[in-house]
Amino acid sequence: SQQGEEDPQALSIQEGENATMNCSYKTSINNLQWYRQNSGRGLVHLILIRSNEREKHSGRLRVTLDTSKKSSSLLITASRAADTASYFCATDTGNQFYFGTGTSLTVIP
Amino acid sequence: DGGITQSPKYLFRKEGQNVTLSCEQNLNHDAMYWYRQDPGQGLRLIYYSQIVNDFQKGDIAEGYSVSREKKESFPLTVTSAQKNPTAFYLCASRENDGQETQYFGPGTRLLVL
Repeated sequence: SQQGEEDPQALSIQEGENATMNCSYKTSINNLQWYRQNSGRGLVHLILIRSNEREKHSGRLRVTLDTSKKSSSLLITASRAADTASYFCATDTGNQFYFGTGTSLTVIP
Repeated sequence: DGGITQSPKYLFRKEGQNVTLSCEQNLNHDAMYWYRQDPGQGLRLIYYSQIVNDFQKGDIAEGYSVSREKKESFPLTVTSAQKNPTAFYLCASRENDGQETQYFGPGTRLLVL
């Protein structure tokens, strides 16, 4: 399987703290994307980073990409209870997406 | 109100029965995708279609079939050959003109009676 893996599988933090989750993948990619999924719902796109980029910001989100290590990280700053969800990385090879196994984030008010 | 719709929200299948999950999009996207998600797992690709009347197998196509007769529609049939169909099924679409983001429907949960 070319599916990536995410670490940690589950993360529980207090509101206001930062949350960091990591993604490792196996193949060469065009870009890497992060998605969010609330329980029992579809996925929502958060942020995209291209293979020639190293860091990208969007609001409270910061993504890094290290293509030499085939890894990425997502940082959510100043977390809120509404950030509670599962977060997935997805690698885009051009034709297909390969999703990681997800990190379940719980933000405690 | 543009987007992707999936129906039904819940679907029950009896042993030996074929069932069809609907996916419709009004985003004018060329590419459409079907994923399966098992509890606590990531998404696995079942089938995808880059253009009307063409589709390709993903990683777990066995026991499933699709058609793409119209740009806006990409139905998935779960056949009786799929021995473990209980899962959450997600449909997605995206443009083929360089846009990279996938847009997802709300999902269909399939349960076996």
